[in-house]
This record gives sequence, structure tokens and C-alpha cells, in this order.
Amino acid sequence: EVQLLESGGDLVQPGGSLRLSCAASRFTFSNYAFNWVRQAPGKGLEWVSAIDNSGFNTFYADSVKGRFTISRDNSKSTLFLQMNSLRAEDTAVYYCAKVSLVTSNFDYWGPGTLVTVSS
Amino acid sequence: DIQMTQSPSTLSASVGDRVTITCRASQSISRWVAWYQQKPGKAPKLLIYQASRLESGVPSRFSGSGSGTEFTLTISSLQPDDFSTYYCQQYNSYSRAFGQGTKVEI
Repeated sequence: EVQLLESGGDLVQPGGSLRLSCAASRFTFSNYAFNWVRQAPGKGLEWVSAIDNSGFNTFYADSVKGRFTISRDNSKSTLFLQMNSLRAEDTAVYYCAKVSLVTSNFDYWGPGTLVTVSS
Repeated sequence: DIQMTQSPSTLSASVGDRVTITCRASQSISRWVAWYQQKPGKAPKLLIYQASRLESGVPSRFSGSGSGTEFTLTISSLQPDDFSTYYCQQYNSYSRAFGQGTKVEI
């Protein structure tokens, strides 16, 4: 069974930085594209960023463009999200999601990691 | 960017009811819509993709329809496990916008 596990969530002050990781196992990580999706407390889902299987192509929501960087290490089966210049509105649970080769949709998700931006 | 507008935001229903949720795209996206179910404290689960294709393992009481800019998710006979929040998502472009969500409650 595919496993995804996010880590790195924490309490951080506004303007600070944080790096999230998503460790993948039980499948060939390098074959798949991935996305980050976040959910503010009590709110809906917000797409954040995407990366293709090679890592060469990356995409961002306007709300995080220029502040967040998505990357991956295929040798370690790990996805990353570097978050800089954090704002209170970035407070959310962050999920990594694997993209299905069959449906092009998010077929597996991690349990999420909580990022809280507050002074 | 493509925006997805979902309605209603909340839906009250009973076990056995037929339920329909609507999602409208800000521009034509052909059939590139997916529907997810999310329970409190859990990650979303894919139900429907390409507007009407049922993900493996999803009960047949779930169905989807639509193309272009208007899409619907229908639950033919609501079961106790179906009381959740549902989201549409477009994947016509790289920015995979979600709808605002519909909470189906008793």
C-alpha cells in the first residue's frame, strides 16, 4: 500500500521560514508527479503547488508564488515544500498528494502536517 | 486562473435521500473535473474523475455528470457514511482549483 507521511509542521512567527517534507514508500516515487494542498482551520481545500516526476517543472498558486518552493529528491523518495516569508494566512494543515498515472488525479494523500504562523 | 464555484455550501438531508451538488467553472474545462469526499480530520478521498468516471472501490450510488462549465455530483441514496464534505476540483490547467466545498449533514 502506498504510504505518504508529511513532517516539518510547527509554530513559526510571521516572516519566518519552514521546510515541509513528505516521505513516500512502497511505490516507485520517481515515476509520479506530486502536489501540495493546504486547508486552513475550518476552511476548504486550497491547491498550493505541483511538481512533475523529474522535478524540472513546478507550478504555484498565486497566493504563494515567490515565497514557496517545491522540490523533490527522487533518490530519497521525498517531496519538499520550502516556505519563506510566512504569513498568518498560511496557517493550515498541509497535505502532499500523489498524482495517478491513470486518472491524473490525487489518488493518495498523506495525513497532513500543521503549520501555525503566529507571534 | 480557473475558478470553481460550488453550491450549496451546506445541505441537510436524510438517509435514503437523493442528493445533488453543483459545481460551475469560470471557463470551459471540457470534462476535467474530479470530486473528493473529506471526513473531519482526514485527508480527502477521490470519488469521481473526468466528470463521470468512478474511482475504483467507490460505491455505485455516487455518480457525476456534466461538461464544459457545469458539473454535478449525485448520491442516489444517502447512506450514514456519506455525511461528509464534498469538493469539486478542476484539472484542465496546472492550477488545480477546488470548489468551496459542500457539507452534507443530517
